[in-house]
Amino acid sequence: DSGVTQTPKHLITATGQRVTLRCSPRSGDLSVYWYQQSLDQGLQFLIQYYNGEERAKGNILERFSAQQFPDLHSELNLSSLELGDSALYFCASSVGTLSSYNEQFFGPGTRLTVL
Amino acid sequence: ILNVEQSPQSLHVQEGDSTNFTCSFPSSNFYALHWYRWETAKSPEALFVMTLNGDEKKKGRISATLNTKEGYSYLYIKGSQPEDSATYLCALAPPNTGNQFYFGTGTSLTVIP
Repeated sequence: DSGVTQTPKHLITATGQRVTLRCSPRSGDLSVYWYQQSLDQGLQFLIQYYNGEERAKGNILERFSAQQFPDLHSELNLSSLELGDSALYFCASSVGTLSSYNEQFFGPGTRLTVL
Repeated sequence: ILNVEQSPQSLHVQEGDSTNFTCSFPSSNFYALHWYRWETAKSPEALFVMTLNGDEKKKGRISATLNTKEGYSYLYIKGSQPEDSATYLCALAPPNTGNQFYFGTGTSLTVIP
């Protein structure tokens, strides 16, 4: 158990809908990262928050947004869902500094299925 | 976007065999390389952080080496066991990106009893 929690575990929804994925980082970690893993693709970095502020952006679609709250939990909002958004979404957290040496601790993921 | 490649894509070995696989990355602008182990239905778990050219890290039967000048890292598993079956991921963490990781697609290892 990494100490990172994600809810829900599974989510099934229809095209055009909007969903929110939630992540609670390990106690004391200030950085939260979101990744997407689609079929036959590696983990793709979406976005990073550090102590409430957006720090880095990767291949995140404009239909997706995220935020990190004062209690450091984070939410990833996916709107106008398309079939291609079906994927495993991971949240990870790391300690307070922004060093590339810091390992990231991954949550169990949310499996999103768009029908 | 940095290109991180892993080979082979998948590997089947007999219990007791030793094996190794490769992570290749752009040699310029290197800062850190992370290895992760990802078992089915679980979350990726960190194995090693490699930072210096020539680094060698070991954890039990698993070890890793790093060559930043030529842009590759090897992961070795000695005497593979069925519980080693997993996908092994490497991730490049370049400088000045706030610890953003660029993952390879992984090597899927199956150890046959």
